[in-house]
Amino acid sequence: EPEVTQTPSHQVTQMGQEVILRCVPISNHLYFYWYRQILGQKVEFLVSFYNNEISEKSEIFDDQFSVERPDGSNFTLKIRSTKLEDSAMYFCAIRTSESYEQYFGPGTRLTVT
Amino acid sequence: KNEVEQSPQNLTAQEGEFITINCSYSVGISALHWLQQHPGGGIVSLFMLSSGKKKHGRLIATINIQEKHSSLHITASHPRDSAVYICAVKLGGSGSRLTFGEGTQLTVNP
Repeated sequence: EPEVTQTPSHQVTQMGQEVILRCVPISNHLYFYWYRQILGQKVEFLVSFYNNEISEKSEIFDDQFSVERPDGSNFTLKIRSTKLEDSAMYFCAIRTSESYEQYFGPGTRLTVT
Repeated sequence: KNEVEQSPQNLTAQEGEFITINCSYSVGISALHWLQQHPGGGIVSLFMLSSGKKKHGRLIATINIQEKHSSLHITASHPRDSAVYICAVKLGGSGSRLTFGEGTQLTVNP
């Protein structure tokens, strides 16, 4: 199973601050996803990224969010001005072009105070 | 109405019991995932299937496309199986996002 790491594992930030969450796939995968899970709720899709551009995004992924793969390895999710309701677990997932199976990172717990 | 419904929401079993968790979906899909979420929050992919049945160790997953239903079975359950089990589907059509169920909290007592 492909390995995915995420940093940081836990981030605490103040409302209005910018945060960057990072995802590092160990192997060379082409498709990247960000999901989030608010405490006590189900996992929700945010955005998918393929060939260095967004391929799909949800209504949650508004102008406050952006994604990029700045160095061809890390895949980042940026939240420009965090709100209390952004507090959640954020998961990165990856897959290859050969299969729809997605592999998840361990998650970053974001706490906005 | 949720596109993906799981039952039961919570399940408590004694060690050794046979466990069944169900997932129903209301739309056409091209693939269904069973995922396991540990107490720390991490998500592990157990199965991806689009037809028939798959088996891995004590875990068995089945899917009936016509009935829009999938089941995850755990044989000879063990306390280490305690986790949240999540059904997620890839909807038919373009795009590869997953749509998730609410999850089933399984507790296996020794």
